[in-house]
Amino acid sequence: ELKVEQNPLFLSMQEGKNYTIYCNYSTTSDRLYWYRQDPGKSLESLFVLLSNGAVKQEGRLMASLDTKARLSTLHITAAVHDLSATYFCAVGIIQGAQKLVFGQGTRLTINP
Amino acid sequence: SAVISQKPSRDICQRGTSLTIQCQVDSQVTMMFWYRQQPGQSLTLIATANQGSEATYESGFVIDKFPISRPNLTFSTLTVSNMSPEDSSIYLCSVYWTGVVRQFFGPGTRLTVL
Repeated sequence: ELKVEQNPLFLSMQEGKNYTIYCNYSTTSDRLYWYRQDPGKSLESLFVLLSNGAVKQEGRLMASLDTKARLSTLHITAAVHDLSATYFCAVGIIQGAQKLVFGQGTRLTINP
Repeated sequence: SAVISQKPSRDICQRGTSLTIQCQVDSQVTMMFWYRQQPGQSLTLIATANQGSEATYESGFVIDKFPISRPNLTFSTLTVSNMSPEDSSIYLCSVYWTGVVRQFFGPGTRLTVL
């Protein structure tokens, strides 16, 4: 059974600081997703990582994937308040269905 | 990306009743899925909605409780049957196109069962 674990689950940080969210998964997969969820809202797709060593960046967020270690990271650079949200990683299960198994989510609060 | 809509956006229901949630996409999709997000929790896949055939359910979810239809390539429904307060959750549909890497989610239906 595929398990996806994120840490930390809660993160409170100051504006301007850097931090990293970690996502570990237990079995081989060909794709790793990062989503953002604001309170009361649906999920916004941030990144999809498809291969070992893949790195994607948008604004202050950068995601990377190490398939050998079964680890993805979401790095936040010089955080701003607008990045406060819950971030989920999800791992895709192949077998023709593209089902996703989600991590627990990381609730990120950025304080002025 | 396509536009995904869900109806209703929220509802408050009585115990023992049923609610049908609709998911509509403005273009044909390859795969449609239904997820549940319990309060303060992550997302769990309920089932894959198969066009023209019975849905494929994940462990812990059964057709009698969550009947699903997908009559065509743009539309699916999820029914939450014989509801109890434990069914209070956000229900989200997601869609996937072959050749498009990302998977997109609908706005969700927030269900409260009293």
